[in-house]
Amino acid sequence: GAVVSQHPSWVICKSGTSVKIECRSLDFQATTMFWYRQFPKQSLMLMATSNEGSKATYEQGVEKDKFLINHASLTLSTLTVTSAHPEDSSFYICSASSGYQETQYFGPGTRLLVL
Amino acid sequence: GESVGLHLPTLSVQEGDNSIINCAYSNSASDYFIWYKQESGKGPQFIIDIRSNMDKRQGQRVTVLLNKTVKHLSLQIAATQPGDSAVYFCAENPGSNYKLTFGKGTLLTVNP
Repeated sequence: GAVVSQHPSWVICKSGTSVKIECRSLDFQATTMFWYRQFPKQSLMLMATSNEGSKATYEQGVEKDKFLINHASLTLSTLTVTSAHPEDSSFYICSASSGYQETQYFGPGTRLLVL
Repeated sequence: GESVGLHLPTLSVQEGDNSIINCAYSNSASDYFIWYKQESGKGPQFIIDIRSNMDKRQGQRVTVLLNKTVKHLSLQIAATQPGDSAVYFCAENPGSNYKLTFGKGTLLTVNP
C-alpha cells in the first residue's frame, strides 16, 4: 500500500518551454500533496503544499507563477514549470499524505534538465 | 541558481555489523518523526516512524529511539546489508501543520 507515482521520470526540454509533472497516489486518497526540489547531495526543499480543491501554499522564495500547482482530485496533483530555464534543472519529488500527521509517502522523483 | 553542494555526514560499516544513524532535531514542539531512506536517483522511502509519546519503536531490522530531553533521534539497523547503502533522512513534524522538516541526511555505505 501507499504507492505514489510520478510521471515523467525524466524530461529534457528547451529553455522557455513549460513542463508538467504529474503525481498520483495509487492506492489511497491524498488530502494533501507536497512538492519538493532536491539538489545533488542536499536535503529535500519543500516548494509548496497543496490540498485537494484549494490553492497551493508556497514556501517563501518559491514563485507561484513559475511553479503552477493543481490538486484537482484526491489522487492527482500536477506541477507545471513555466518558461523553464537551465537553473530550474533539478530533481523534483512529490509526496502524498492522507491526513494530518499521517506519513508522507514519496514518489520516485522527476529529473528535469533544461537546455 | 543551484546552491553549492554540501558534504553529507557519512557512515561506513562492514556488512553484518549494526549501524546507528543519529539526528538532532530543532523544534521541541515536534511530536511526530519519520526516518526515510533515499537511494541514488530515487525518491525517499518510508522506513519507520515514531510519535512523541513513545521513546522506542521497532520494525524489521530497524529500531528508532527518541530522546525528547535532548531532542535526539536515532535509527539503528541490525545486520546491515549492502542493500542498506543509501542516504538516510530524519524528518520532524512540528505539529502545527502538515509539513515535515528534513534533516541534512547521512550517507550510509556498507562494505562487503
